[in-house]
Amino acid sequence: DTAVSQTPKYLVTQMGNDKSIKCEQNLGHDTMYWYKQDSKKFLKIMFSYNNKELIINETVPNRFSPKSPDKAHLNLHINSLELGDSAVYFCASSRLAGGFSYEQYFGPGTRLTVT
Amino acid sequence: KNEVEQSPQNLTAQEGEFITINCSYSVGISALHWLQQHPGGGIVSLFMLSSGKKKHGRLIATINIQEKHSSLHITASHPRDSAVYICAVSPGNYQLIWGAGTKLIIKP
Repeated sequence: DTAVSQTPKYLVTQMGNDKSIKCEQNLGHDTMYWYKQDSKKFLKIMFSYNNKELIINETVPNRFSPKSPDKAHLNLHINSLELGDSAVYFCASSRLAGGFSYEQYFGPGTRLTVT
Repeated sequence: KNEVEQSPQNLTAQEGEFITINCSYSVGISALHWLQQHPGGGIVSLFMLSSGKKKHGRLIATINIQEKHSSLHITASHPRDSAVYICAVSPGNYQLIWGAGTKLIIKP
């Protein structure tokens, strides 16, 4: 059984389009994350939701909007895609306790290519 | 200067060698994580530490809270251990602060 799943795995689209990436976890975790990994391979946190409440909102363009319909899902919608948005986007989930994260479980990643 | 520094950035070794990857951090933390990213891209959590030492198979992770330093050791390294190893710290504000990763290549 897949613990953290993301769809799609690959996404090729043109500049200016709007796209969404979906993430689901079946681990019963209360916290989910979106990370961006660029060509230099550095992971950067974008957003985090704890029990459907936004707790981390890093400085990302407001073209990026996360949505968490329930604890098991965290989707990422991107408007007006730009070339610089090309990257691998990872979803992750974990438990939070005392303000810190237990082990994070990662999805397989979505490779977004904007042409 | 990053709050989490890993060394070395790149490491190439022969199969069977004992491997050490280091992580130093400059903030107070509640926990430290070691993760592995395979060449195919998947990311797996290896350890979460708040003190002492943990062992899983051929992997050993240690942390010295006073010195703000952690090490990841691999005994009897194997080509399948080739991956990027990432250190991340949890300062207790829901965040994880990530190191840049250490790319390990084990040659047969």
